[in-house]
Amino acid sequence: DGGITQSPKYLFRKEGQNVTLSCEQNLNHDAMYWYRQDPGQGLRLIYYSQIVNDFQKGDIAEGYSVSREKKESFPLTVTSAQKNPTAFYLCASSPIQGANTGELFFGEGSRLTVL
Amino acid sequence: SQQGEEDPQALSIQEGENATMNCSYKTSINNLQWYRQNSGRGLVHLILIRSNEREKHSGRLRVTLDTSKKSSSLLITASRAADTASYFCATDLDNYGQNFVFGPGTRLSVLP
Repeated sequence: DGGITQSPKYLFRKEGQNVTLSCEQNLNHDAMYWYRQDPGQGLRLIYYSQIVNDFQKGDIAEGYSVSREKKESFPLTVTSAQKNPTAFYLCASSPIQGANTGELFFGEGSRLTVL
Repeated sequence: SQQGEEDPQALSIQEGENATMNCSYKTSINNLQWYRQNSGRGLVHLILIRSNEREKHSGRLRVTLDTSKKSSSLLITASRAADTASYFCATDLDNYGQNFVFGPGTRLSVLP
């Protein structure tokens, strides 16, 4: 089935460790996004990418890094520089249709807890 | 403050009643979208309304958009217990839709 797969669903990390969250899509979408969601809040954009080998910082990029080596994959690394990394992380993709905006398709999320 | 603000923050109704959620925003938009999120899950797209549209329907959902007031409303008619979820509005701030801004959401509880 077509969709977005995030892994792992749950992840525990010790302080000072980097961790990488996986996001894979088979929807042939050009654009991919990473959002962070904290309890009772909306989604905040971390990074997004419109094309392979290119990505832009979102509103809260500090302490995070991404890569886009393949169209299907957009992994997010939470580095030790991120001061408060415990959160729910959501990956999404969307088609780029000129000036027309499509919907966002989301994965099921990854919940990161720092011990 | 955020571009999108949903109101109310939480809503509790009985099955069969209608649920109305509102979203206000601050800047000009290309379109506005509503999403649903079940607890601990990803978001699911419900409906998109473009800036030149005033009303749109999809099944039991009705969305309105008033660009003069910079506000939108989502109406769910004949609610069911399965409609219990958080609902978010997302505004598309530029023509290529690469900068969606989400509000904090409305938590809807539909009691059987």
